[in-house]
Order: sequence, then C-alpha cells, then structure tokens
Amino acid sequence: AQRVTQPEKLLSVFKGAPVELKCNYSYSGSPELFWYVQYSRQRLQLLLRHISRESIKGFTADLNKGETSFHLKKPFAQEEDSAMYYCALSGRGESSGSARQLTFGSGTQLTVLP
Amino acid sequence: KAGVTQTPRYLIKTRGQQVTLSCSPISGHRSVSWYQQTPGQGLQFLFEYFSETQRNKGNFPGRFSGRQFSNSRSEMNVSTLELGDSALYLCASSISQSSGNTIYFGEGSWLTVV
Repeated sequence: AQRVTQPEKLLSVFKGAPVELKCNYSYSGSPELFWYVQYSRQRLQLLLRHISRESIKGFTADLNKGETSFHLKKPFAQEEDSAMYYCALSGRGESSGSARQLTFGSGTQLTVLP
Repeated sequence: KAGVTQTPRYLIKTRGQQVTLSCSPISGHRSVSWYQQTPGQGLQFLFEYFSETQRNKGNFPGRFSGRQFSNSRSEMNVSTLELGDSALYLCASSISQSSGNTIYFGEGSWLTVV
C-alpha cells in the first residue's frame, strides 16, 4: 500500500524566512513524487516533479529514498506563497499497472506573514 | 492549449437523487482520472480511464461509476446520493512522456447534497 504523510497541517512563517514543508512516503516500488499547490479559489496546480529536478517559484524538493522523504523548501518565503500544499505519490495501480493514480497527503496550509 | 474543463461547476442535489459530472481533458491526453476532495478525507482517488477502459479504481462504493468516450471525454455518476457525498469532485488528465507522467487538474465540480 502507498501512503503519503504531511505531518504539519498548518505552517506559518514570516516573509523572507526559509520554509520547509515536510513530506514522507511509503511505497514498495519506485515512486514518482510531486508537489501540488492550491491557491485560494484556484485549481490544484502542479508545482514540482521529482523527476525534473527543477526549481519553480524558488521552490525545490529533493527525493531522499533512504529517508523516504520529499520535503519542499524555499529559502525566502513570499506572501504570495500562502496556499495549501499537497505532496503526492504516483505508483502502480493494483489492477492494471496504471501509473496515473495519485495518492495525496493531507496537505499543509502555508501562511506567510508580512 | 485549453486546460481540463469540468461541468457543471456547482450543483445542489437532494438525497437519493443521482448526479452526472462531465470532464473534457486537455487535448491529446487519453488518461482521465477522478478524485473526491473533502475537508475530512482530503483528496481521494476514485477511478482512472484510458481509451474508454477503466484501468484503476479507488476504494469507493459501487454508487460511484464513470465512463470515458472515444474522444477521451469522461463522465462520472453518483447514484442514490448521500449527504456525505457533498464534496469537490476533481477531474484530471495526463499524458505519458519519456520524462514520466504529469497529471493536470480541472477546477472541479462542487456538489452539495441536501
């Protein structure tokens, strides 16, 4: 079974401070990990994929297979970063090998204070 | 390129009724999946379709069903609605790429059951 854990439901930081949103996963195979962001009244948007190893809006995330973690980091938080962040895992579906089922964590509501 | 489009955006139904939600994927995407989002349970996978075939199914009762048409558009149906079915229903589409699968979400259909 696959599982994604985001231990912090709420996280507040001050503008300009570093921010780290934690994500741990449980999966027996080789997963694909993602971070999605949902701004107020907007659709769920892809922020990062571990495969692409890119930095989007100053955010980075590194897959640590030893610790089964995929923490999201940004060195200097901005007020516009305030949103709900979801860590998600894509693995093989049980029935047909589909790799397009996402298992989401419960999300972390990030608030960046002025 | 247009994003994932879902209709209707908002609807109110009475217990015992049924509802059909529609989703048009991004052009060229053949995989369509559905998710339920509630404050209590978060984001949960319902099912995934590819080339008109259901490839994967989440842990939901048989009242939840779906289908996909030859043009990749998809519908999901919930019969005998219960109050607990009130949720945001998200449709997502994806395409296989050499760099992996990326899943894109629609804005969702807000269902309220009264």
